Order: sequence, then C-alpha cells, then structure tokens
Amino acid sequence: EDQVTQSPEALRLQEGESSSLNCSYTVSGLRGLFWYRQDPGKGPEFLFTLYSAGEEKEKERLKATLTKKESFLHITAPKPEDSATYLCAVLVEAGRRALTFGSGTRLQVQP
Amino acid sequence: DSGVTQTPKHLITATGQRVTLRCSPRSGDLSVYWYQQSLDQGLQFLIQYYNGEERAKGNILERFSAQQFPDLHSELNLSSLELGDSALYFCASSPGQSSYEQYFGPGTRLTVT
Repeated sequence: EDQVTQSPEALRLQEGESSSLNCSYTVSGLRGLFWYRQDPGKGPEFLFTLYSAGEEKEKERLKATLTKKESFLHITAPKPEDSATYLCAVLVEAGRRALTFGSGTRLQVQP
Repeated sequence: DSGVTQTPKHLITATGQRVTLRCSPRSGDLSVYWYQQSLDQGLQFLIQYYNGEERAKGNILERFSAQQFPDLHSELNLSSLELGDSALYFCASSPGQSSYEQYFGPGTRLTVT
C-alpha cells in the first residue's frame, strides 16, 4: 500500500530561523511528488512538482528537493506569512491521477 | 486564486438529507477531481472525471455520486447524509494529458447536524 509520511506534525519557528520539512514515501513507481500549502479553511495551493531523484525547485524562500525515498521542503529565513500547513502528495499511476496526500506539517512562524 | 470555483462555500443540513456540490474547473482543464478533507482522515481522493467520463474512483461511498457535464463543470451528490460526512469537500482540476499538477478550489464546508 502506498504511504506518505510527513514530519514533524507541527513546527514552530522564529522569524528568520531556517528549517526543513520532511516527506517520506513508500510507493510502487513514483510518477511525481507534489508540495502544496494550505491555509486554514482554504484549498491547497500548488507549490512544486518533482519528478526524479536529484531534482530541485525553488520559489522565494522555499526550496524542494527529492531523493528516491523522501522529499524535503527547505524554508530559508521564514516570515510570519509563511505560516500554514504544508502538504506533500504523490502520484503513482499516470493513468489514474489521484494524489495520495500526507497528513501535513503545520508551520507557525513567530515574529 | 487557482481559477477553480466551487459553490456553495458553506452548507448546513440535517442527517438523511441530500445535497449537491458544484465545481467549475480552470478554463481549458479537462480533468476534475473530488477530495474530502476531515480532521481525522486528511485529504482523501473520492473520484476523477476526464472530459465527461469517470476515470478513477477512490474511497467514495455508495451514497455519493458525481458527474461531469459537457461544459466540463462537475457536481458531487451526497445522499442519506450522516454526521460523519461533515467535512471540507474540494474540487481540483488539471489539463489532463500533459500535466500532472492539480489546482484546488476553495472548497465547500459541509456540516451535517
């Protein structure tokens, strides 16, 4: 069974304190790994797609990386507006494009 | 704003009732997906449609059904509602063939009393 595990469940940072969120996966044939940001009561907002080990993507203070077993979302010098839940999802079958989501990491950045 | 719209934003109804949730995908997107998000289950895939045809099913109850219309909007029908059906319901869309990214709507919050 495909599994996606995110850690930590919650993370509290001071403004400017860099850190990383982890997404480990056990799937049979990864077609893509996705990162989303979700604010309370809102829909997930697409951030990145990673397709192969070694790939990296960056957007402002966020950088996503992918290995054969896990992905990291690095947050550099975070600001309070980066506070949100960050969700990781995997796509296993290209024909059946349902995403399997992890339970997320709740990030709080304090000023 | 992802370009995906969902109505209504909030829905409060009683057990045993039936409701319909509506989703309009981004312009040009052929695939529509429905997901359920509850506190204890996280985001769970329900069903996918591509250009009017059902493409994949996830953990969708028999009391739930969906369809995609010729103009590509989709509706999710929930019947014989139970307290446990209270959740956020999200619709997502993607272009279909060449792109795997899914873009989510703002969701419908369903409360069953």
